Formats: sequence, structure tokens, C-alpha cells
Amino acid sequence: NAGVMQNPRHLVRRRGQEARLRCSPMKGHSHVYWYRQLPEEGLKFMVYLQKENIIDESGMPKERFSAEFPKEGPSILRIQQVVRGDSAAYFCASSPSVQGARTEAFFGQGTRLTVV
Amino acid sequence: GENVEQHPSTLSVQEGDSAVIKCTYSDSASNYFPWYKQELGKRPQLIIDIRSNVGEKKDQRIAVTLNKTAKHFSLHITETQPEDSAVYFCAASNDYKLSFGAGTTVTVRA
Repeated sequence: NAGVMQNPRHLVRRRGQEARLRCSPMKGHSHVYWYRQLPEEGLKFMVYLQKENIIDESGMPKERFSAEFPKEGPSILRIQQVVRGDSAAYFCASSPSVQGARTEAFFGQGTRLTVV
Repeated sequence: GENVEQHPSTLSVQEGDSAVIKCTYSDSASNYFPWYKQELGKRPQLIIDIRSNVGEKKDQRIAVTLNKTAKHFSLHITETQPEDSAVYFCAASNDYKLSFGAGTTVTVRA
């Protein structure tokens, strides 16, 4: 089991470009969570998805950010028209069922986005 | 929503001494409290967790205590070693959403 795979590991975008971050959950995991970590801060919840469904996107900025987890393929976090404030590490986690009192979530290595 | 506060923000200990990190949470419905260790540029890794029906849990040199009445929980690392140097995060959850503390940078001096 290769674990949660995120790519790219590092991504540099100019202001105004689009950033696409990919996350392949662990085998057998159907629940995916995205978190953002600003420099020297803790992780902040962004969105929780199951296959083809967004369950909770309460942590996502209302504009420019979107996420999906299609039936086939990885989960995608998409940031349109990036700004310098989007520079952060974006972590994906997955779990076999709903993360919480019964099951832990496993984190990927993260994608470090730098907006120049 | 849940608010988790973590102290101290930095902690320097002599190798072999103990390290203690404390967290408080605001949502009395939280029932799952994991601790993560993050080395520079790497993923957060779960090192220990505790559920609300337990007051204390130990795994070798690491222990966690939970006081639900006071809404605080602590991480204890005994006999610290240089490889314990990292950033440690506490978190709280009552469903699928983890709310993290701001982190504690632990430095173990040889």
C-alpha cells in the first residue's frame, strides 16, 4: 500500500494562473479531506469529499477554490487566479470510513504551492 | 466551531528530560484527540490518539492524558532523544473534521 499520494510535491505559479493539486487516497479509502497549512501554523480544514460527492466544504474560500473526487481518478483541489496569499502547503488525508472516533486519517506528503 | 489552543509554541529540553505539551479545546462534543508529529517538509504523522472514554493512554515513551471536564489534554514525552525534535500538533474532532492547534516546536539538546 503506497499510502496517500499527492502530486506535485512542489508547484510554482504566477499570480493569476491556475493551480491543480492531486490526491490519490490509500487503496480502499473512499473518504478524502483537504487541509491547508500556512507557514508556521497548524492545519486548517478545507473540504471533505466522498466519491462524486462534496460532503462539507465549509473551510473552502467561497471564490476561486473548488474540489472534486470523481468516480475514477484522484481528488483534485483547484485554485483559480492564484494570489500570493494562496502560498501554503496543501495536505490531503484519506480514511476508509468517516474519520473520527473510530478511524484515523492518513496524510499525504503535501503539495507546497508558491505563488510568485 | 471547535477552537484548539496549544502551549507552549516552542520547547527546548535537554536530551533525557521530559517534554510536556498542553492543549485546550472549546467544543464539549469533541470525542477524538490525536497528536501529530511533523518533521520539516514532511507529512504530519499520527503518534498517539485518545478517545473520550479514556483518561490516559501510553505507548512506550509517549503518553497522552485527557480531562474532559476541564477540556484539556496533554502529550508527555519521556527520556527525550534528538530524533524527537519536530513540530507537534494536537487536534480535536467530534466528527470528520480535525481542528488543529498551532503547533509546538520541540528541540532536544544533545
